[in-house]
Amino acid sequence: AQSVTQPDIHITVSEGASLELRCNYSYGATPYLFWYVQSPGQGLQLLLKYFSGDTLVQGIKGFEAEFKRSQSSFNLRKPSVHWSDAAEYFCAVAARGSTLGRLYFGRGTQLTVWP
Amino acid sequence: EPEVTQTPSHQVTQMGQEVILRCVPISNHLYFYWYRQILGQKVEFLVSFYNNEISEKSEIFDDQFSVERPDGSNFTLKIRSTKLEDSAMYFCASSTGLLAGGPNEQFFGPGTRLTVL
Repeated sequence: AQSVTQPDIHITVSEGASLELRCNYSYGATPYLFWYVQSPGQGLQLLLKYFSGDTLVQGIKGFEAEFKRSQSSFNLRKPSVHWSDAAEYFCAVAARGSTLGRLYFGRGTQLTVWP
Repeated sequence: EPEVTQTPSHQVTQMGQEVILRCVPISNHLYFYWYRQILGQKVEFLVSFYNNEISEKSEIFDDQFSVERPDGSNFTLKIRSTKLEDSAMYFCASSTGLLAGGPNEQFFGPGTRLTVL
């Protein structure tokens, strides 16, 4: 069965510091991979996605993620965090070949940014 | 920018009552979804809907749940007889469908928090 693990429930960083949020998946074949962000009172917003090709993908708001097949990981990074990045971040996968892209989510990582 | 909207933002109901959660997907989208997140747990898929019928549903989506697109703009989730364990945040999402190479982005609404007492 598909599963997505985000081992860090809560991360606190200082503004300007670098950030890495971890995501591991368990799936038979490389799935489609996504990172979503949710700010309070907002819906989930897509940050970036990986389907194939270059394993380093760039997203919105200065985020990037690297797919590592050998580690079944898709970690999200940002070189310098801004206070407005405080939110909850969700890693998600969809089965390769899935017609409608049903998403399987991780539990989420809450990011707090200190000024 | 077009967005998915959901009403109400918060619904409180008594156990055993019926609730209808409403969503207005983005107007040119063809694929619709409901997900839910019980407090402290993962966001879970409930159902996907295309061409006026259910395409896929999870094991959570039992006979107590139903979905409908009654008028070409709204997309509703009905829970016929709510249970305490139905308390959760319910997210609606919509998508234009498939891109070459993978599924297109699902746009999510802000959610409806359902509290069953």
